[in-house]
Amino acid sequence: AQRVTQPEKLLSVFKGAPVELKCNYSYSGSPELFWYVQYSRQRLQLLLRHISRESIKGFTADLNKGETSFHLKKPFAQEEDSAMYYCALSGRLGGANNLFFGTGTRLTVIP
Amino acid sequence: DADVTQTPRNRITKTGKRIMLECSQTKGHDRMYWYRQDPGLGLRLIYYSFDVKDINKGEISDGYSVSRQAQAKFSLSLESAIPNQTALYFCATSDTRQGPSGSYEQYFGPGTRLTVT
Repeated sequence: AQRVTQPEKLLSVFKGAPVELKCNYSYSGSPELFWYVQYSRQRLQLLLRHISRESIKGFTADLNKGETSFHLKKPFAQEEDSAMYYCALSGRLGGANNLFFGTGTRLTVIP
Repeated sequence: DADVTQTPRNRITKTGKRIMLECSQTKGHDRMYWYRQDPGLGLRLIYYSFDVKDINKGEISDGYSVSRQAQAKFSLSLESAIPNQTALYFCATSDTRQGPSGSYEQYFGPGTRLTVT
């Protein structure tokens, strides 16, 4: 069965400090992983996906199959990074690929 | 981005009442989804539809039903609302075609906050 675990419900860092939001997954197949973000008063939106190997707003995430992790990192946090972050895995449900979300981490960047 | 809209945005109802949440999209996507978000539980899939004639149960479909009236409309109904259905409900859409990266990105509506008293 597929599962996404985000161990931290809340994370606070100071502006300019590095930030890492943890995500671990379990999935029997080849995983496809995403980070979604929800800023205050905005809708949930895709931040980045592992397939693209991209950096968005200074954030990166590397898929580590050995550790079954997909941690989100940014070297220098900014106040505008404060938001709710969800790790998600695309997996099979009822014969179709659907997204399975973690429980989310609320990041607060302290000025 | 008003491509995915939800009505109502907020609703308070009483136990036992029937309520319908509506979702409309102008993105031209075939796939639509309903999720509920609860504190500490993240988003959980209730139902999904890959086209007008296709309806599928998600992880937590008990107590809910859906209707795909058209490609652009996907409604979620609570036939007899109960307090533990108090949550934030999100509609989402995705294209049938994979994106450039080979993945299916989902686009979310603004959410409907439902309170059952």
